[in-house]
Amino acid sequence: AQSVTQPDARVTVSEGASLQLRCKYSSSVTPYLFWYVQYPRQGLQLLLKYYSGDPVVQGVNGFEAEFSKSNSSFHLRKASVHWSDSAVYFCAVSISTGANTGKLTFGHGTILRVHP
Amino acid sequence: GPKVLQIPSHQIIDMGQMVTLNCDPVSNHLYFYWYKQILGQQMEFLVNFYNGKVMEKSKLFKDQFSVERPDGSYFTLKIQPTALEDSAVYFCASSQGRQNTLYFGAGTRLSVL
Repeated sequence: AQSVTQPDARVTVSEGASLQLRCKYSSSVTPYLFWYVQYPRQGLQLLLKYYSGDPVVQGVNGFEAEFSKSNSSFHLRKASVHWSDSAVYFCAVSISTGANTGKLTFGHGTILRVHP
Repeated sequence: GPKVLQIPSHQIIDMGQMVTLNCDPVSNHLYFYWYKQILGQQMEFLVNFYNGKVMEKSKLFKDQFSVERPDGSYFTLKIQPTALEDSAVYFCASSQGRQNTLYFGAGTRLSVL
């Protein structure tokens, strides 16, 4: 069974600062990896996903994430945050074998607050 | 982008009653999911549904739970009877294929009194 750990429940940064949100995963097989964002009163929206290939993946709104198999990590980064990035960020994994039913396993989420 | 709509956004119900949560998935999607998030905890998979059948369900998907999508309309989660521990936010999601992106609704907050 797979699991996801987001060690930081809350992160506060100033507008214009750089950002890293951490995600560690545990899986018996190579997983697919995702970052979702949830703005208030909205559904989760996909930021980016990693299936294979280049370990650095680009997403929407200037976000990127880097997969590290050796560290079992998939950290999310942004070079310069905007106040509108304030939201809850979820890391998620799904298995990548033929038995994949599309089920996602989520972390607890990280609440990001950006000071204007 | 594609939208998944969940109706209503908040539902309050007395313990023991039946409740049906409605989800209007993306129109050409074939896979449907329900997730449950208790306040302060992570979102957890309940069930997924394809071609009129449950493909996989978790231990959270109790016998009192059922899902269906009659005639390609709403994808529904029915709880009968409800219990206090069913209070949570329930998120619906849909995808075009098993390995495609899941699109989520904004959730229905269920309060069981």
